[in-house]
Amino acid sequence: GESVGLHLPTLSVQEGDNSIINCAYSNSASDYFIWYKQESGKGPQFIIDIRSNMDKRQGQRVTVLLNKTVKHLSLQIAATQPGDSAVYFCAENIGGSNYKLTFGKGTLLTVNP
Amino acid sequence: DTAVSQTPKYLVTQMGNDKSIKCEQNLGHDTMYWYKQDSKKFLKIMFSYNNKELIINETVPNRFSPKSPDKAHLNLHINSLELGDSAVYFCASSQVIDWTGTNEKLFFGSGTQLSVL
Repeated sequence: GESVGLHLPTLSVQEGDNSIINCAYSNSASDYFIWYKQESGKGPQFIIDIRSNMDKRQGQRVTVLLNKTVKHLSLQIAATQPGDSAVYFCAENIGGSNYKLTFGKGTLLTVNP
Repeated sequence: DTAVSQTPKYLVTQMGNDKSIKCEQNLGHDTMYWYKQDSKKFLKIMFSYNNKELIINETVPNRFSPKSPDKAHLNLHINSLELGDSAVYFCASSQVIDWTGTNEKLFFGSGTQLSVL
């Protein structure tokens, strides 16, 4: 399967359950954060973003929470569906003109029907 | 109507060869990037261009030479390919959103899987 040899953190949930994917970021100066979803054989796809002046942002079935005190980001997916199965990446950016998005390790989410 | 398109999708070649990957974006974005994704899915930035000018070069070997003929295109040429160059290469673009040059979220292409034999 796809996860063999990858050594990615994995999360396995049942269809209809809520999923929470966690991410610890490294730079306290980071001011912009993004979650991406990458399906097999495709490029990363934007899900939701949040700026450091917020601690929560909601989208369609997704919520991102930001805790700057402990440098922690989470992505909550409500009513997880089989189509949500993918690798999820958090990314951080310090901002300014030398824009560089630094990606985290990735978490493999598997949704069981 | 693909926003960020890169070609080829698959590239299989021998060590020592020279190859190119092309990328085009039709989003009108100012900034384009090349990222490398290794076998463990780790994504790392290689280059960033803003309006055809190089702004980020992340200590990539000089065998890798990006070229931006205009702000909608960013191609990647690789000389003397090595086994360790095998990876998936992603092109991306983003838009500058304010006067400081801050960019917003990246839009990625579908990737080029490079296999060096």
